Amino acid sequence: QSALTQPPSASGSPGQSVTISCTGTSSDVAAYNYVSWYQQHPGKAPKVMIYDVSRRPSGVPDRFSGSKSGNTASLTVSGLQAEDEADYYCTSYAGSNNWVFGGGTKLTVL
Amino acid sequence: EVHLVESGGGLVQPGGSLRLSCAASGFDFSNSWMHWVRQAPGKGLVWVSYVNSDESATSYADSVRGRFSISRDNAKNTVYLQMSSLRAEDTAVYYCVRDISYSFNVWGQGTTVTVSS
Repeated sequence: QSALTQPPSASGSPGQSVTISCTGTSSDVAAYNYVSWYQQHPGKAPKVMIYDVSRRPSGVPDRFSGSKSGNTASLTVSGLQAEDEADYYCTSYAGSNNWVFGGGTKLTVL
Repeated sequence: EVHLVESGGGLVQPGGSLRLSCAASGFDFSNSWMHWVRQAPGKGLVWVSYVNSDESATSYADSVRGRFSISRDNAKNTVYLQMSSLRAEDTAVYYCVRDISYSFNVWGQGTTVTVSS
């Protein structure tokens, strides 16, 4: 159950796009289309932003998009806004009723 | 409205036990998979445990297997996490989460567990 690998930080200016990567293995990210992404503001519970690699729950702006290639998944935030500044976590189903999170990425809006 | 409300957190000595509860409302609990996820102070999210809709399947992270036990009472719309042999490294906010399509779709507000002498 090794954690997925995310960059510790990412940044962009308002209006720009930023992409956060999430690297796993052939046993998790590459094996299943069950990658999801979560946004967490300080002191708050996480909120799902993307599930099933690229699906957005209702209410999530279409500025948020997800994709996957091989053992690496990505979250792209387009048209950055100040309220997007938060911690972002990826997770993947890893088979046998196990799940694994990434270490988290702190997104700063400059 | 979908709600998950955790309770049962607190201060416990190393080696002690604690049972967390999570009351669900606003959705079809008896047909939902549920998880516990924790977050140590200043650290990232870690998946802890899973239970399927009828408790016929459960699973645990390596770090808690053999010490924690997940269960549910569908008549009470409640999921539990029994924690024993607690260690300092179990100190965290524990979140109850509803699963939709293998994702952590709905989160409670969390309950804080502190393991310290």
